Amino acid sequence: QVQLVQSGAEEKKPGASVNISCKASGYSFTSFYIHWVRQAPGQGLEWMGIMNPSSGRPIFSQKFQARLTMTRDTPTTTVYLGLTTLTSEDTAIYYCARSRAKYSASDYWGQGTLVTVSS
Amino acid sequence: QSVLTQPPSVSGTPGQRVTISCSGSSSNIGSETVNWYQQLPGAAPKLLISATNQRPSGVPDRFSGSKSGTSASLAIRGLQSGDEADYYCAAWDETLNALLFGGGTKLTVL
Repeated sequence: QVQLVQSGAEEKKPGASVNISCKASGYSFTSFYIHWVRQAPGQGLEWMGIMNPSSGRPIFSQKFQARLTMTRDTPTTTVYLGLTTLTSEDTAIYYCARSRAKYSASDYWGQGTLVTVSS
Repeated sequence: QSVLTQPPSVSGTPGQRVTISCSGSSSNIGSETVNWYQQLPGAAPKLLISATNQRPSGVPDRFSGSKSGTSASLAIRGLQSGDEADYYCAAWDETLNALLFGGGTKLTVL
């Protein structure tokens, strides 16, 4: 069955960087895009960017353009999100989700990774 | 603030029909399909409606989606207590080349 399994919770200091993984299984890895969406405590969903695992090419939200990276490792069917220069406003649950195309619905989501940024 | 506009909250009694609106523009809802997600407390979002009006397998037909111009709607009939959740609309914006979410609507079943 389709699964997106994310790495565990992270605690970071302001100014640090974080890397989150999203391991895909149960489907053809290169046939689906991976979105990254975050949700701050008590807030709504916020789109960060999308990765095409086939080409390795990402599209970033302008808000995160300067400090966001997205990579993939095809042999392990894993997509990675990297976010630098963390502040307390980056405290959130980060989700990966797959979609057939960038404009298509996300039918499977990861379980979420809590990132806490605190001094 | 979100580019897609949803009411912060809606409410209804069991058995009632409620609708949640999602207002956008010509570069997103006006030209792309709309997806709806349900998020139960403490859970990841779940796809409820895809491509404006398609229900994924397993989603009850009590849920339906529609679109007119630059606005979309999610309708829930036969309201149940288990429908209490946050609901989000989403659409790709071809000008911003970005996915947009609505701010979310909290549904309360009275």
